[in-house]
Amino acid sequence: DGGITQSPKYLFRKEGQNVTLSCEQNLNHDAMYWYRQDPGQGLRLIYYSQIVNDFQKGDIAEGYSVSREKKESFPLTVTSAQKNPTAFYLCASSIMGQGVETQYFGPGTRLLVL
Amino acid sequence: AQKITQTQPGMFVQEKEAVTLDCTYDTSDQSYGLFWYKQPSSGEMIFLIYQGSYDEQNATEGRYSLNFQKARKSANLVISASQLGDSAMYFCAMREGNFNKFYFGSGTKLNVKP
Repeated sequence: DGGITQSPKYLFRKEGQNVTLSCEQNLNHDAMYWYRQDPGQGLRLIYYSQIVNDFQKGDIAEGYSVSREKKESFPLTVTSAQKNPTAFYLCASSIMGQGVETQYFGPGTRLLVL
Repeated sequence: AQKITQTQPGMFVQEKEAVTLDCTYDTSDQSYGLFWYKQPSSGEMIFLIYQGSYDEQNATEGRYSLNFQKARKSANLVISASQLGDSAMYFCAMREGNFNKFYFGSGTKLNVKP
């Protein structure tokens, strides 16, 4: 089945530690996105990528980094510079261009700081 | 300025009644798309309905319809015959022109009462 997978479902980070969240899609979508969601809040864009080896900062990119070496993969690293990383992280993908094509979302990763 | 505004943090509706969730948007583009998503407590984002800026008729998908008023820049979601399973967060989103960036509102938490 086509879709987006995120792993792990839960992730624990120690102080000063970098952690990487995985996002893989087999939908052959060009565009991929990372969002952060705090409890009871909306989605805030961290990074997005429209093509392999290229990505753009979203609204809250500080303390995060990404790579896009393969079309199907868009991992997010939460660095030690991100002082308040506890949140729900959602990865999404979409077809390039306008129109009815929606974003498809993964199941999310909950990141907790120990 | 906010691209998407959802002014109802929480809503209650009686089972089997209809409910309207408000969404206003801000764009100077002529071509854009409007989306509604449902997020149950599990965290997954479920695509509900889409309205294109050039669509002359309001979109409908089963019990969901989108009340699109272009001059007022509003795209309200109407859920008919509410069910207990409709209790969730609902997000309005917009995609402008040829850009592949989506803007999300802060969401409305809907509670359906038996």
